[in-house]
Amino acid sequence: QSVLTQPPSVSGAPGQRVTISCTGSSSNIGAGYDVHWYQHLPGIAPKLLIYANTNRPSGVPDRFSVSRSGTSTSLAITGLQAEDEADYYCQSYDSRLGGSVFGGGTKLTVL
Amino acid sequence: QVQLVQSGADVKKPGSSVKVSCKASGYTFNRYDISWVRQAPGQGLEWMGGLIPISATPKFAQKFQGRVKITADDSTNTAYMELSSLTSEDTAVYYCARGGVSGSHLGWFHSWGQGTLVTVSS
Repeated sequence: QSVLTQPPSVSGAPGQRVTISCTGSSSNIGAGYDVHWYQHLPGIAPKLLIYANTNRPSGVPDRFSVSRSGTSTSLAITGLQAEDEADYYCQSYDSRLGGSVFGGGTKLTVL
Repeated sequence: QVQLVQSGADVKKPGSSVKVSCKASGYTFNRYDISWVRQAPGQGLEWMGGLIPISATPKFAQKFQGRVKITADDSTNTAYMELSSLTSEDTAVYYCARGGVSGSHLGWFHSWGQGTLVTVSS
């Protein structure tokens, strides 16, 4: 059971908008620690998608954005494309555990 | 550009140990955390621990305390992760990943190695 909770799966049609939630607690997201997001395709290394809550590395399109409230944060993907089909993970720091923690991952299916 | 190149796949017997290497290039090796993250079949990403080479004091996830050793050789810009007392549940792809903030364990994982499959089987 992951410290950060994500829905196991989400889906959407091309062009639509989907959101993926990441819920933590008072020792991680609720404590104000930054949240980061990764895109993971089978067989290749995870790719940094969003860092320090809202920042996109160069090359990541602005179709990917994040909102945050209390102990939760959500990744929004607009204008869904077939290439967005992947697993998505949130990550933060947990002060009670003293290290990084990941969400359980969300599989995005583009219908 | 930042590049992390890991050692190749390995097969180990239960009860043995495995050591995975991660050779870094394209940045100042000593200054950034190198963490190890694994993904077991059908499971999510799991942080195991990390080390900022210049500090030489690693941090570990509680689950792996006492069973994992993380070291770095700054003469070759290579980090190592050694996991002992292997069981079938340790079968996974192991990734090294470089931290995003110089001198900090708190940040994101900026770049990743290609992954190393470790299979534990009798």
